Amino acid sequence: SAVISQKPSRDICQRGTSLTIQCQVDSQVTMMFWYRQQPGQSLTLIATANQGSEATYESGFVIDKFPISRPNLTFSTLTVSNMSPEDSSIYLCSVGVAGGQETQYFGPGTRLLVL
Amino acid sequence: AQRVTQPEKLLSVFKGAPVELKCNYSYSGSPELFWYVQYSRQRLQLLLRHISRESIKGFTADLNKGETSFHLKKPFAQEEDSAMYYCALRGTGGGSTLGRLYFGRGTQLTVWP
Repeated sequence: SAVISQKPSRDICQRGTSLTIQCQVDSQVTMMFWYRQQPGQSLTLIATANQGSEATYESGFVIDKFPISRPNLTFSTLTVSNMSPEDSSIYLCSVGVAGGQETQYFGPGTRLLVL
Repeated sequence: AQRVTQPEKLLSVFKGAPVELKCNYSYSGSPELFWYVQYSRQRLQLLLRHISRESIKGFTADLNKGETSFHLKKPFAQEEDSAMYYCALRGTGGGSTLGRLYFGRGTQLTVWP
């Protein structure tokens, strides 16, 4: 298994500002993902964070709005840029751990409210 | 295109009653299916996966390729089973789909005493 921590756990931000969310894993992992869970909705993948190269974004998400860093195999950041109230959501970091059958583990999430 | 459908947003049963949370999927390849659970104020965690064919906390789920379903079942629900349940499919294709999960919208299960 993998132990995942995220910082901050929650934040309230003003419109137009940016917030960087950190994800730390206690072991080296190949796959790291960022998801968004909007109120009352399911989880939506934002991007796959690739170590040593640019993140792979899903349809509807762009690097200018959600820049991602992955400097090593245990750490990643997601920035929510130029925030608007529509960005209010829970942001989840997830990692893929291979152990014969790859399993994805999730961080506790970052609850973001944009005013 | 990959899609996971959980038709019930809310499901309520009484303690001791059987429970079935429905999940249907569409996927062109050979799917890997999972059930994740999120208890109140806790993080999302893996409940079970079809490959393992295991029973966790009394829950089982069988992959039915003919009906493209992966329903989650428990013969006798307990109050502590109250939680949000998500069905998920993992892409096994190449490229950008590798490793990513596609989630259903979730079913909130409430087990009444």
